[in-house]
Amino acid sequence: EDQVTQSPEALRLQEGESSSLNCSYTVSGLRGLFWYRQDPGKGPEFLFTLYSAGEEKEKERLKATLTKKESFLHITAPKPEDSATYLCAVRNQGGKLIFGQGTELSVKP
Amino acid sequence: DAGVIQSPRHEVTEMGQEVTLRCKPISGHDYLFWYRQTMMRGLELLIYFNNNVPIDDSGMPEDRFSAKMPNASFSTLKIQPSEPRDSAVYFCASSWTHAAEQYFGPGTRLTVT
Repeated sequence: EDQVTQSPEALRLQEGESSSLNCSYTVSGLRGLFWYRQDPGKGPEFLFTLYSAGEEKEKERLKATLTKKESFLHITAPKPEDSATYLCAVRNQGGKLIFGQGTELSVKP
Repeated sequence: DAGVIQSPRHEVTEMGQEVTLRCKPISGHDYLFWYRQTMMRGLELLIYFNNNVPIDDSGMPEDRFSAKMPNASFSTLKIQPSEPRDSAVYFCASSWTHAAEQYFGPGTRLTVT
């Protein structure tokens, strides 16, 4: 069964304290791994797509990496405005997006 | 572009009533997706359309749920009759191709009492 597991469920950081979020997956024929950011009361906002192991993408303080079994979202020197829930999703062979439960990130000034 | 538009943003209804959620996708996007988000189950795909045609409705929980896309700029998700366990946030998303990233609307928070 296709499955996505994100850890930790919640993460509290001080401003400037770098860390990583994990997304582990089992999927029948990976057709892409997606990271989204979701703010309270809003829809998920697209961040990155990764397709193959070893691939990396960056945007401001965020960097996403991919291996054959997991993806990491690295946050460097986070700011309070980075506080949000970060969702990971994989697209399986059938084309369906399977979402993880998310990691709720809180960055305190 | 204004992005994906959903209405209403909030809906409170009584058990047994019919509920209709509406979505306008981003212009030019050929794919439209309906999702449901709950604390227990997270974000789940209900149904998706390609060029207004329903392709996969395997995520629709019961016959009480139905979705239509009469044209490229409008889709509805209907629940009849509604039940308290249908309470959730319903999102609409659209994309250029099936493989491309999906852009989500702001969601409709449905509460069935």
